[in-house]
Amino acid sequence: DGGITQSPKYLFRKEGQNVTLSCEQNLNHDAMYWYRQDPGQGLRLIYYSQIVNDFQKGDIAEGYSVSREKKESFPLTVTSAQKNPTAFYLCASTPQGADTQYFGPGTRLTVL
Amino acid sequence: AQSVTQLGSHVSVSEGALVLLRCNYSSSVPPYLFWYVQYPNQGLQLLLKYTSAATLVKGINGFEAEFKKSETSFHLTKPSAHMSDAAEYFCAVSDIGSGNTGKLIFGQGTTLQVKP
Repeated sequence: DGGITQSPKYLFRKEGQNVTLSCEQNLNHDAMYWYRQDPGQGLRLIYYSQIVNDFQKGDIAEGYSVSREKKESFPLTVTSAQKNPTAFYLCASTPQGADTQYFGPGTRLTVL
Repeated sequence: AQSVTQLGSHVSVSEGALVLLRCNYSSSVPPYLFWYVQYPNQGLQLLLKYTSAATLVKGINGFEAEFKKSETSFHLTKPSAHMSDAAEYFCAVSDIGSGNTGKLIFGQGTTLQVKP
């Protein structure tokens, strides 16, 4: 089955720790995106990548980092610099030149 | 710059009643517009999209939306609500100003409640 997987579904972290969220797709899509979702705020773009080994900051990149070493993988690291990391994180992908984004199931991160 | 406004963060309808979720956009160029649905603790699923073809767009699960340029609107409708339609709905517009990046700008979301 083709699709986007995110793991883990639920993640708990202690304050001050870095944590990495996984996003993998087997759709052969070129572009990948990370969003943060908070109640009543819609989706806000953290980072996006259009090709391997290249990525750009979105609207709320501070306190986050990404890498794109393989086409199918786009992991997001939430660093200790992110002041309010508790949120639902969504990964998406799209083919090159296309406009429709396809979403993974999300990871809910809670900082204890 | 493109932007999206969803009017009403919560909408409540009775089962069998008309569903109307409002979306207005701002764009300096002809936009691509989308409606996505999100069930609790899940990702977003595409309902339908407008890409400058027919102004009335039909999507999945009986939903449709009409692009009205004069009103800069792209409201989502369904003639008869079903309990399974209870979810959060997002309107989005392509961020054309950023070049061909595929970026989308999302509205704040509207939670649809369906009462029995």
